[in-house]
Amino acid sequence: QKEVEQNSGPLSVPEGAIASLNCTYSDRGSQSFFWYRQYSGKSPELIMSIYSNGDKEDGRFTAQLNKASQYVSLLIRDSQPSDSATYLCAVKGDDKIIFGKGTRLHILP
Amino acid sequence: DGGITQSPKYLFRKEGQNVTLSCEQNLNHDAMYWYRQDPGQGLRLIYYSQIVNDFQKGDIAEGYSVSREKKESFPLTVTSAQKNPTAFYLCASSTYTGTGAFYGYTFGSGTRLTVV
Repeated sequence: QKEVEQNSGPLSVPEGAIASLNCTYSDRGSQSFFWYRQYSGKSPELIMSIYSNGDKEDGRFTAQLNKASQYVSLLIRDSQPSDSATYLCAVKGDDKIIFGKGTRLHILP
Repeated sequence: DGGITQSPKYLFRKEGQNVTLSCEQNLNHDAMYWYRQDPGQGLRLIYYSQIVNDFQKGDIAEGYSVSREKKESFPLTVTSAQKNPTAFYLCASSTYTGTGAFYGYTFGSGTRLTVV
């Protein structure tokens, strides 16, 4: 059974600080990795994708991938109250994406 | 604007009743998916379709049925055999980038189904 594991949280981070979200996956053959943000009662929104080892930056977001350790992370710099949401890690298997259960992030004003 | 439209936004089902959730996309994506989300359970795959007139069962297909007669449309029927259908249902579609990388899902706004 292919799995994607995340800490459910809640993760509380002061406004302006860096939020660090982590994810591990079981399928060593996975090639595509994603982070989705989901506000309460809304559908998930793709915020980052990463395909190769290393860091990928987009504005305040940085995704990090380490395939040897089967580990993906998302850093959010200068955290804002609007970043409070559940963050879903997703990993592409053969023909579909497997989602983690999500980490709830709470930014403290 | 391109996107995925799910309807209705809220749906109430009586015991023993079949209901159909609509999903339409104008993104020209080949693949479409149905997920169910329950509190604390994450997203669970019900059915998916990679091409017209073909679809595969996901992890929790029992009590559900789908069709894919057009590229743009992938309706989901929740049958009376589904004993616990109250959940948030999400439709998604996907494509590949110009370099062949998997782009990731685009989600619709969801349908919240409640049994009354």
